[in-house]
Amino acid sequence: GDSVTQMEGPVTLSEEAFLTINCTYTATGYPSLFWYVQYPGEGLQLLLKATKADDKGSNKGFEATYRKETTSFHLEKGSVQVSDSAVYFCALRNTGGFKTIFGAGTRLFVKA
Amino acid sequence: EAGVTQFPSHSVIEKGQTVTLRCDPISGHDNLYWYRRVMGKEIKFLLHFVKESKQDESGMPNNRFLAERTGGTYSTLKVQPAELEDSGVYFCASSFGQETQYFGPGTRLLVL
Repeated sequence: GDSVTQMEGPVTLSEEAFLTINCTYTATGYPSLFWYVQYPGEGLQLLLKATKADDKGSNKGFEATYRKETTSFHLEKGSVQVSDSAVYFCALRNTGGFKTIFGAGTRLFVKA
Repeated sequence: EAGVTQFPSHSVIEKGQTVTLRCDPISGHDNLYWYRRVMGKEIKFLLHFVKESKQDESGMPNNRFLAERTGGTYSTLKVQPAELEDSGVYFCASSFGQETQYFGPGTRLLVL
């Protein structure tokens, strides 16, 4: 079945460091890919998405590129801030489908 | 515009008791979903409503869980009787058709 694998956390970085959170997926069709973020005490928020191969999703300085050849959707940010501390979830949803499949989440701590 | 709301935000109950979670979707969203995250693992799909009809309930763990969406507006998820392994965070999401799913803040359930 379809699945998402993302790097285990926690990831601890200093402010202004470069961030990469790896995400790979297995899907039978041509899924849309998502990154969701959960800030402390809050719900899940859609951070960015990409709907087809080679698309780049971006938001709030975060970027991820849909790589079909490597079945990956790695999340990157050039300079993290303390306010980026949160849990990040990679997810997919197949074309025509309604069920979103999530990875286990990666907790990010950013130190001042 | 109000987002997806969930009630209660937290619930602590004893094993064997009953708990009912409520979700109010974004106004006009015909699709409503329940997901849960258990013990820091991945967020898993429970079920999907289109208006008042259950479209897919393949993720419901067992018959102790009952979801309803009377009138196609808000939804309830009842757990009866609750077991220890039901502890986790229960998320509700809504969407218009197959567009982006917007998530609520979640209900944190602890079964003692």
